[in-house]
Amino acid sequence: EAQVTQNPRYLITVTGKKLTVTCSQNMNHEYMSWYRQDPGLGLRQIYYSMNVEVTDKGDVPEGYKVSRKEKRNFPLILESPSPNQTSLYFCASSLGTGIGSAFFGQGTRLTVV
Amino acid sequence: GESVGLHLPTLSVQEGDNSIINCAYSNSASDYFIWYKQESGKGPQFIIDIRSNMDKRQGQRVTVLLNKTVKHLSLQIAATQPGDSAVYFCAEKAGANNLFFGTGTRLTVIP
Repeated sequence: EAQVTQNPRYLITVTGKKLTVTCSQNMNHEYMSWYRQDPGLGLRQIYYSMNVEVTDKGDVPEGYKVSRKEKRNFPLILESPSPNQTSLYFCASSLGTGIGSAFFGQGTRLTVV
Repeated sequence: GESVGLHLPTLSVQEGDNSIINCAYSNSASDYFIWYKQESGKGPQFIIDIRSNMDKRQGQRVTVLLNKTVKHLSLQIAATQPGDSAVYFCAEKAGANNLFFGTGTRLTVIP
């Protein structure tokens, strides 16, 4: 089954404690991206990756890092989480932004206290 | 930057009626548009897409209309069913490698 898998689904952490949200896709997609979803603001792109070792900033990259060492994995790293990073995060993959549809993961609800 | 928004944040329709969800965009250079459906507790799910060289595209029970003159996009759902209740987002791409999403419209289907 084609899918994008995120882990964990829920996470509560404290300010400043580094965390990683993993994302894996099994469709051999080249393009992967991370979004955060906040009430009234919709989905905003954090980072995206066109292929292995190719990453670039989206609209709201501050406070986040990503890596793309393998095609299937695209982890999101928060080196020093802050309360304003409390949000619902989605990973997505697609053949390309203009090609076909994007598959989204189930989401990770992060709370930073 | 681009601005993608929706005319109505909420929409209620009777089961069996047709639904129309609207979206306005501000960047005339946008060349690709997608509609997504997001059910509670789930990630967005692709519904249908359209390129700027088209005015209309049909899927199963859904039709997307694109009016480039007024920078308007709409999603029509025929014979709306309770399972169609969700938040619907439009997204646009304008040359860059990322998509810009609207804030969403919540569709509620009344049995």
